[in-house]
Amino acid sequence: EVQLVESGGGVVRPGGSLRLSCAVSGFTFDDFGMTWVRQAPGKGLEWVSGIDWNGDSTGYADSVKGRFTISRDNAKNSLHLQMNSLRPEDTALYYCARDMGVGGKSSYFDHWGQGTLVTVSS
Amino acid sequence: DIVMTQSPDSLAVSLGEGATINCKSSQSVFYSSNSKTYLAWYQQKPGQPPKLLIYWASTREAGVPDRFSGSGSGTDFTLTISSLQAEDVAVYYCQQYYSSPLTFGGGTKVEIK
Repeated sequence: EVQLVESGGGVVRPGGSLRLSCAVSGFTFDDFGMTWVRQAPGKGLEWVSGIDWNGDSTGYADSVKGRFTISRDNAKNSLHLQMNSLRPEDTALYYCARDMGVGGKSSYFDHWGQGTLVTVSS
Repeated sequence: DIVMTQSPDSLAVSLGEGATINCKSSQSVFYSSNSKTYLAWYQQKPGQPPKLLIYWASTREAGVPDRFSGSGSGTDFTLTISSLQAEDVAVYYCQQYYSSPLTFGGGTKVEIK
């Protein structure tokens, strides 16, 4: 059974940092790209960042470019999102998802975790 | 960036009746080189993560009931629920994966009338 379990969320002050993690099981991790999608309270979905199977190719939403860094550890079946210079508008539930990646690019997402909540507030 | 616009924002449908959700992209998401349309649909029930329903605009994900179907081409797409069931109450999102950044529509909330 495919499982994705996010962790690392919490309350942080504006300008602070957090590192999210996603532990994966139930499939061959390095066969797939991975992605982070967030959802602000009561709002829609926003793609945040994606990474290909070996970490050579990454992509970011304009809203997080230069502040967030996606990475993966294939030996540990884990995905990470380093979030720096956090802003109140980054407050959201952050989901990791398996990316069906077409041609090394992010595509659609067939398995999702339950999410980890990040709250940026003073 | 490709903007995805969904309509309506919400709709109420009687049990057993059909529901139609529209999604329009600001530019074509069709790749002529492989004749594929880079569009997906998701269902999100309250308190749950999104669930993939449709990809390549019309390919149903394994295990998704056949009352869900996707259609459309170019810039205009439709998700149809042929006979609404109580468990279909959810918010539905379209998503393009033609180009980065990937973008989602604003969502359509489906309720029972």
